[in-house]
Amino acid sequence: GAVVSQHPSWVICKSGTSVKIECRSLDFQATTMFWYRQFPKQSLMLMATSNEGSKATYEQGVEKDKFLINHASLTLSTLTVTSAHPEDSSFYICSARDSERGGRETDTQYFGPGTRLTVL
Amino acid sequence: AQTVTQSQPEMSVQEAETVTLSCTYDTSESDYYLFWYKQPPSRQMILVIRQEAYKQQNATENRFSVNFQKAAKSFSLKISDSQLGDAAMYFCITGNQFYFGTGTSLTVIP
Repeated sequence: GAVVSQHPSWVICKSGTSVKIECRSLDFQATTMFWYRQFPKQSLMLMATSNEGSKATYEQGVEKDKFLINHASLTLSTLTVTSAHPEDSSFYICSARDSERGGRETDTQYFGPGTRLTVL
Repeated sequence: AQTVTQSQPEMSVQEAETVTLSCTYDTSESDYYLFWYKQPPSRQMILVIRQEAYKQQNATENRFSVNFQKAAKSFSLKISDSQLGDAAMYFCITGNQFYFGTGTSLTVIP
């Protein structure tokens, strides 16, 4: 149980185009999902918290107009990188909390396998 | 602000031996969880063990155990009988919003 999927696993795009990454909780409902960015050999950096049915909360320094997040259902959150540039190339990871486990804010996060974005 | 410090960027252990990864943190929260996750070369984050701060008993999961010292804000991970599959980056995490440590890269020597 508690499986999170991401699609695509790997994407290459041209500079200036937009890319959408999907994050799905496969066997549980998630009112809260998280988006992280990871540079090579570094830790994960929280970009934003995605809440079902409401606007995402972005961390300081993350451009909300560039990284659009939509959490339209209890099992799906999407991250759209708009007008991508080479510096946006990175590994993007999503995670989700199981809402049916009590909803404690400090509960376990289940991570997706990540999406490698390369912008040419 | 919350901070998590992993002072060992790299560690190595002989197969079947025991290794301890250290972690210290700072938090203003009174009720919180702490986690160790590992990230193998596949980059899939995998939960290793979690500890509830209000519980004094140290968590244990098979070969993995923690030494949780709440007053000292220390949360170390002990891996017993190390296996080749334990080789990974290990992250100490705490807090509501999952504050990550910088990670410890563990190498297991056959």
